Amino acid sequence: GQQLNQSPQSMFIQEGEDVSMNCTSSSIFNTWLWYKQDPGEGPVLLIALYKAGELTSNGRLTAQFGITRKDSFLNISASIPSDVGIYFCAGQLKTSGSRLTFGEGTQLTVNP
Amino acid sequence: NAGVMQNPRHLVRRRGQEARLRCSPMKGHSHVYWYRQLPEEGLKFMVYLQKENIIDESGMPKERFSAEFPKEGPSILRIQQVVRGDSAAYFCASSPDRFLEKLFFGSGTQLSVL
Repeated sequence: GQQLNQSPQSMFIQEGEDVSMNCTSSSIFNTWLWYKQDPGEGPVLLIALYKAGELTSNGRLTAQFGITRKDSFLNISASIPSDVGIYFCAGQLKTSGSRLTFGEGTQLTVNP
Repeated sequence: NAGVMQNPRHLVRRRGQEARLRCSPMKGHSHVYWYRQLPEEGLKFMVYLQKENIIDESGMPKERFSAEFPKEGPSILRIQQVVRGDSAAYFCASSPDRFLEKLFFGSGTQLSVL
């Protein structure tokens, strides 16, 4: 099946630092979504991207849809302790209907 | 407006038993998706349903697994004769239409097979 390669797998940072994570694939995606998952909960949508090259912000979060449509990155600026969690990218292929393909996740730990 | 409700939150079954996972979508949502998540992995698509219809079941194992979304009542994911490999978190998501930015996930059901 289709695969999204998400990196890094985990990050340990100090409060106030900026964070960057990305997803790449060999397939072309129509839509890229970034989610955050807290322990014992379902993913919550952070940012949705629809066009190649699109750069979208949501507060301290910024995400971009790669020009090739095969990658996306998420930046978090000035991290705070509540940013702790697992961040997932997810993509929708042109041929996959409403099915999402998820990356393996980036576990973020923020030290106060 | 209540979110996507899944129950039970935790389900323990012995090998060979049946597991029934329930999902009540958000009010006004007629599209339901089921995803499975193994520890330290991303979510994997299983099935997509609209009221009374299975739209895409390409991610669901051919045997032992079934899903329904009746006209009345919650969506049900049914796993017959569970095996240890079925142990995972099962998430339901719903949306009012096919646009994925309107997709909301429930808190999941953690299935443990002994």
